[in-house]
Amino acid sequence: QSALTQPPSASGSPGQSVTISCTGTSTDVGVYNYVSWYQQHPGKAPKLMLYEVTKRPSGVPDRFSGSKSGNAASLTVSGLQAEDEADYYCSSYAGNNNIVFGTGTKVTVL
Amino acid sequence: EVQVVESGGGWVQPGGSLRLSCAASGFTFSNFWMSWVRQAPGKGREWVANIKEDGSQKYYVDSVRGRFTISRDNAKNSLSLQMNSLRAADTAVYYCARLRSGYYYDYWGQGTLVTVSS
Repeated sequence: QSALTQPPSASGSPGQSVTISCTGTSTDVGVYNYVSWYQQHPGKAPKLMLYEVTKRPSGVPDRFSGSKSGNAASLTVSGLQAEDEADYYCSSYAGNNNIVFGTGTKVTVL
Repeated sequence: EVQVVESGGGWVQPGGSLRLSCAASGFTFSNFWMSWVRQAPGKGREWVANIKEDGSQKYYVDSVRGRFTISRDNAKNSLSLQMNSLRAADTAVYYCARLRSGYYYDYWGQGTLVTVSS
């Protein structure tokens, strides 16, 4: 199972929006609405930001939103804040108890 | 507060064995599937193994099946990963994570580094 493709980096100024793409195939992202997004600061545990494409766990700001079209999903961070600077990973269910992850995107707040 | 804390990582020679542990707290451990996920240096994350709430079902990624064994002790709120016949390709940070609905992880540990090298 191949990794999902994400851009290595993305950036934006405080208050702006940044969108990260996550491209899979017709056997994962394209067929399941089970895309999740995780944020990880250096040396910290990953944190779930979105699941089932658009759902936010309790405590995650509504500045974080998700969408999906075809074989690609995306995470948008609106109103960028300094604490949003982190690595972001997507994942998708791929059937047969298999979850495939994205290659990761480093978000920089300029 | 939900917490999962990994331990047991370290350096091991190719062909060797290592046992990772994960201590869970802040939730009813026996009610949740648990997983191990790894990330090799400079590479993406990879799901390694899942175990059902009661330990009756276990699933592994092809690359570790037959070499790794996931287990749990619900009385001790503990998850383990026994890794045998280790290879250089197994070098990675290993994360313990709580699996929800079979397709996302809602809590993760900070990870423990396993280095397989001669």
